[in-house]
Amino acid sequence: GAVVSQHPSRVICKSGTSVKIECRSLDFQATTMFWYRQFPKKSLMLMATSNEGSKATYEQGVEKDKFLINHASLTLSTLTVTSAHPEDSSFYICSASKVVGETQYFGPGTRLLVL
Amino acid sequence: DQQVKQNSPSLSVQEGRISILNCDYTNSMFDYFLWYKKYPAEGPTFLISISSIKDKNEDGRFTVFLNKSAKHLSLHIVPSQPGDSAVYFCAASGVRSNYKLTFGKGTLLTVNP
Repeated sequence: GAVVSQHPSRVICKSGTSVKIECRSLDFQATTMFWYRQFPKKSLMLMATSNEGSKATYEQGVEKDKFLINHASLTLSTLTVTSAHPEDSSFYICSASKVVGETQYFGPGTRLLVL
Repeated sequence: DQQVKQNSPSLSVQEGRISILNCDYTNSMFDYFLWYKKYPAEGPTFLISISSIKDKNEDGRFTVFLNKSAKHLSLHIVPSQPGDSAVYFCAASGVRSNYKLTFGKGTLLTVNP
């Protein structure tokens, strides 16, 4: 168990458009989901923590109006990159945990390229 | 200020031998440590974890050792297999940081046949 999926796996979009990335826990209910971003040859940087039914908690320096997070159910969280720019191009990864404080299980990631 | 450090960016090991990946941390509030394995363009895969109340945890070929006084943990893989070749991330969390994971920069392990 503990499988997390992401959709799409990769997306190319034009500058100024918005892109939605879905994160689903397939075989468990996730009270908490996390969104990360990874730059080339860098570690994973936490962007925000998402709890079902409440507002996401963003890390310092992450624009909440730019990166909209919705945790609509115990198995689905979405990240919307609004008015995307080339500097938003990155690898976005979500994770989910069954219970707060327990192991996080990661999705396969989404490669975003903004032209 | 990097709270979780993996000082070796890469490690090369012969198949069948032991791989030892090291990780140091600076925040004494961390009380839960994890190792993840990651292939390019994929999400990290959970390998093994250890709570601060333990000094060793073993799961098959993987063993994690924790030395709290030195703020150091290591992952031992024995015997190493070519399929183990990947980037290994050390991560730490704690109740006081709301269980957010802090990752090291990773170590690229290459296991040569």
